[in-house]
Amino acid sequence: EPEVTQTPSHQVTQMGQEVILRCVPISNHLYFYWYRQILGQKVEFLVSFYNNEISEKSEIFDDQFSVERPDGSNFTLKIRSTKLEDSAMYFCASSEFVEEQYFGPGTRLTVT
Amino acid sequence: AQSVTQLGSHVSVSEGALVLLRCNYSSSVPPYLFWYVQYPNQGLQLLLKYTSAATLVKGINGFEAEFKKSETSFHLTKPSAHMSDAAEYFCAVSDRWSGGSNYKLTFGKGTLLTVNP
Repeated sequence: EPEVTQTPSHQVTQMGQEVILRCVPISNHLYFYWYRQILGQKVEFLVSFYNNEISEKSEIFDDQFSVERPDGSNFTLKIRSTKLEDSAMYFCASSEFVEEQYFGPGTRLTVT
Repeated sequence: AQSVTQLGSHVSVSEGALVLLRCNYSSSVPPYLFWYVQYPNQGLQLLLKYTSAATLVKGINGFEAEFKKSETSFHLTKPSAHMSDAAEYFCAVSDRWSGGSNYKLTFGKGTLLTVNP
C-alpha cells in the first residue's frame, strides 16, 4: 500500500541553524500539507500546497519557514533559523481527494 | 473559525468494555469530520471519515462514529475494547466549502485511551 515517507526520523540541531525536513508524498496525490505537534499538545496546521504554490498558511508559518516541491516527488519544509520553540514532531500529509489526508510517520525536530 | 473539542484527555477502559471517545465541533456549515489514531512513536492513521453520506460511519479495527448535526458531535465508539486499541485518538474537522485547493485539518487536543486487562 502506498505511504507517505519522511526523512530524517529525528533531527537534532542547534538554535539558529537551518534545517530541511523532507517528505515523499504518495505519487498520484495533488494536495500537500505540513503539520506540527509540540510535545503534549495538539496537531497544528502549518501550510498547504497545491499546484506548486502555497494555498494557505497558518500564523505559525512565518518568514522563517518555506516549502518547496523541487523535483515533482519530494516536498520539503525549511526552517531558516531554528528556535527552541520549533522543537516538535513535524508531519507531512498528502491527499488525492480533498477529504482524505494520509500522514507520514513524522520527523522529530529537537532544537538545542 | 472551526474548532474541535474532545472531552476527556484520558479515558481508561477494561478489555472487552465499550469505548466512547467524545468529539464536538464548531463550524458554520456541516464540515468533513475525521478520527485519526496515533500509536506510540508513529504517525497519524485515519480511522474513519464523515463526508455527508451515511451519518453512521464504520472505520477500521471495529470503530464507528455517528454524525449528529443537532448536537454538533461526532463521537467514536467501539463495542469491545482490545489491548491493541491503546493509543491516542484525534478528532479533526475540515471545511468542505473552502473550495479551491485547501482543506486543512483542525484537530482536537486528543484523547489517550488506556485499556486495562
